[in-house]
Amino acid sequence: DAKTTQPPSMDCAEGRAANLPCNHSTISGNEYVYWYRQIHSQGPQYIIHGLKNNETNEMASLIITEDRKSSTLILPHATLRDTAVYYCIVRAPNTNAGKSTFGDGTTLTVKP
Amino acid sequence: EAQVTQNPRYLITVTGKKLTVTCSQNMNHEYMSWYRQDPGLGLRQIYYSMNVEVTDKGDVPEGYKVSRKEKRNFPLILESPSPNQTSLYFCASSFGTSGYETQYFGPGTRLLVL
Repeated sequence: DAKTTQPPSMDCAEGRAANLPCNHSTISGNEYVYWYRQIHSQGPQYIIHGLKNNETNEMASLIITEDRKSSTLILPHATLRDTAVYYCIVRAPNTNAGKSTFGDGTTLTVKP
Repeated sequence: EAQVTQNPRYLITVTGKKLTVTCSQNMNHEYMSWYRQDPGLGLRQIYYSMNVEVTDKGDVPEGYKVSRKEKRNFPLILESPSPNQTSLYFCASSFGTSGYETQYFGPGTRLLVL
């Protein structure tokens, strides 16, 4: 699986959009980009994933650059409850299929 | 309700006293995995299982055992716990590992080994 690089921390004002970047310059053509978050020692929670196209669900939007070397997770209207560690992961289907690596993630702090 | 459950949620034990942390999922998922989380080291995978009777090592398997006799259960066994196994443990499951799947995590088990 490709390695990812995320900033260690970010702040965001409540009600504003939070844009969390992730670099995955060595991503392969069949690797998906996944985002999870972990709120204060709770179990990580899946947010969204994508391959090439931008994706949106009720929680967030995922923007993947055309060359797929980076992506951005967007929380459109951040709330205090969005304060968490956000993990960006890339995974390929059926390649070391069982192994799963979470990096250090980005600690997002949403401030009033 | 679809969920992954872990028991116990908190455990204090002493060095060398065998213990088991249970993990159960009710989603008929094929894949299950155990992670430990330590300050500054993030989530590290201990063991995973692709299906019943199929298990393999993750990144930090030393000192741990697992078994997968039933699809829904994936217990983590510490035969002789040591203080360096004090950690927060998470179990996770997913439908498969095709790249389409997402992992569902349990609430965590906080273990202190004295």
